[in-house]
Amino acid sequence: GENVEQHPSTLSVQEGDSAVIKCTYSDSASNYFPWYKQELGKGPQLIIDIRSNVGEKKDQRIAVTLNKTAKHFSLHITETQPEDSAVYFCAAVRGSTLGRLYFGRGTQLTVWP
Amino acid sequence: GAGVSQTPSNKVTEKGKYVELRCDPISGHTALYWYRQSLGQGPEFLIYFQGTGAADDSGLPNDRFFAVRPEGSVSTLKIQRTERGDSAVYLCASSLDRGGTEAFFGQGTRLTVV
Repeated sequence: GENVEQHPSTLSVQEGDSAVIKCTYSDSASNYFPWYKQELGKGPQLIIDIRSNVGEKKDQRIAVTLNKTAKHFSLHITETQPEDSAVYFCAAVRGSTLGRLYFGRGTQLTVWP
Repeated sequence: GAGVSQTPSNKVTEKGKYVELRCDPISGHTALYWYRQSLGQGPEFLIYFQGTGAADDSGLPNDRFFAVRPEGSVSTLKIQRTERGDSAVYLCASSLDRGGTEAFFGQGTRLTVV
């Protein structure tokens, strides 16, 4: 099956700095890559996603890049704010597996004021 | 409802007991997923429903786990003879359709087996 690796496991930044989280995947058949934010006691919430026919996507302070050849994708958060503090998960979906998400192990992001 | 609703939010049970966890998906969503999340880990897939049928149950860890969705909306995850290793947060998600459409997650049910 698909294997998604995520780094780093923890990330601390000062408010206003940028944060980058990286993921790799193993299955070249994967074609959809969502990123989820999970706050304490809540379920994961989609923040941005990218499909395999696109190299980069931006939404305000958040951007995702995808390198299909290298099988890696990254989340970039600029001008971080304390409310960005949460656990972030990358995920991959293989086209043949009916939308099943394969998650990374998560990154605990802490933004210090 | 406005979002995916899971009940109960917390469940403590004794080892060996039977438990049922309920998921109310977003109205109109045909796809429903169950995931299990252990502390410090990403969610792990358990089972996927398209309508009433289980399209993929390959993530269920053993035959103590079973899930149903009899009318294509509400789903129940059933765990027999619970073990301490079953302790985790059980997440439900729904989406309009399969294959790369946004999945909306509920807040989860925290199951603790003592």
